[in-house]
Amino acid sequence: SQQGEEDPQALSIQEGENATMNCSYKTSINNLQWYRQNSGRGLVHLILIRSNEREKHSGRLRVTLDTSKKSSSLLITASRAADTASYFCATDATGYSGGYQKVTFGIGTKLQVIP
Amino acid sequence: GAVVSQHPSWVICKSGTSVKIECRSLDFQATTMFWYRQFPKQSLMLMATSNEGSKATYEQGVEKDKFLINHASLTLSTLTVTSAHPEDSSFYICSAREQQGAISQPQHFGDGTRLSIL
Repeated sequence: SQQGEEDPQALSIQEGENATMNCSYKTSINNLQWYRQNSGRGLVHLILIRSNEREKHSGRLRVTLDTSKKSSSLLITASRAADTASYFCATDATGYSGGYQKVTFGIGTKLQVIP
Repeated sequence: GAVVSQHPSWVICKSGTSVKIECRSLDFQATTMFWYRQFPKQSLMLMATSNEGSKATYEQGVEKDKFLINHASLTLSTLTVTSAHPEDSSFYICSAREQQGAISQPQHFGDGTRLSIL
């Protein structure tokens, strides 16, 4: 079963608007990652936020993490048509000490930015 | 940044053929590589995790005799779909992770292989 669940599953906005995507998970994590996937391509890593962090920024991206609510959000500010893609959150339940590393992906949010 | 090369990008072949997909980390050593399968408009489903020099760990429901994984070096892992059938048609994506001390690192993904079995 999927660990992460993104919300909404699809989002359509106008260029220049902000896009917010949410991710909820069920078990304890070491970190949470956000990835982007263009249609028919592999995934591109955007941001990794560790369980002891609450907020992280990277350019127009802002990620928050609330471990008490087991949720994270990805905010893309001043969206561009080129931001059109699917966005996935992924939770990492084991760290370096774990002999078995496993990252579980959510179902994704399909973002469309209309020029 | 870290680059993962996956080859081939797409394969079309007849039913019963075995297909090998390669995943290479080009500028880092990947202690762990992951193989995923993705159906249209769905998320990535982890198939197996491979650590260099040891047997792969398969997820529940994934046939290890059907999907052979070899991770012979720190920069190369291969997935062989044996005796492929139309139901094996899918988008297969590999990823690689470099372990640095006690800090978890993100996965770096290949561009995927679209497999179509006729």
